[in-house]
Amino acid sequence: EAGVTQFPSHSVIEKGQTVTLRCDPISGHDNLYWYRRVMGKEIKFLLHFVKESKQDESGMPNNRFLAERTGGTYSTLKVQPAELEDSGVYFCASSQRGVGGSDTQYFGPGTRLTVL
Amino acid sequence: AQTVTQSQPEMSVQEAETVTLSCTYDTSESNYYLFWYKQPPSRQMILVIRQEAYKQQNATENRFSVNFQKAAKSFSLKISDSQLGDTAMYFCAFHNNAGNMLTFGGGTRLMVKP
Repeated sequence: EAGVTQFPSHSVIEKGQTVTLRCDPISGHDNLYWYRRVMGKEIKFLLHFVKESKQDESGMPNNRFLAERTGGTYSTLKVQPAELEDSGVYFCASSQRGVGGSDTQYFGPGTRLTVL
Repeated sequence: AQTVTQSQPEMSVQEAETVTLSCTYDTSESNYYLFWYKQPPSRQMILVIRQEAYKQQNATENRFSVNFQKAAKSFSLKISDSQLGDTAMYFCAFHNNAGNMLTFGGGTRLMVKP
């Protein structure tokens, strides 16, 4: 069974440009999460999809970030326009069960974003 | 809001020895879940072990075990018979019963030396 995949693995862009990160969850997982870790700090939650619906987007830092999950399969996270403080590693995770209780989240390898 | 604290940014241990990584958390919830994740260098994060707060028995997975002290809000990870492949960043994480969002600690970088 394929794990969570993310593309690209690295991205280097100039301040003001746009970048789109992609996450493919494990097949059959309804839950998809985005997290990020900026330099030397904790991994922080960004948002949570259940199928194609945003269940919780309380961690999204501002309106420069837009996440979508078309058809409840893969998800994209677009940063437009990118700022220096957006640099970090963006992780995607997926899990099978619904909200509540506990379900193991399986993480992707992350996308390292560098904004110059 | 919940917080998770890992007080040891870096640790090292000799191969075959035992090491304990610390984690404390703060929550007003009574039912929640705790996790240790491991991220080897240049590889993805994987779940090492999990603990449900309502279970008094400490979770164990082969060489990995936890010491869960609910009253003290402490959740340490013990790695026995350390192996070179245990070299990694270790993250302690929490989520409550109502939601799925994980709250992470800052991580502990563990180096296992031959």
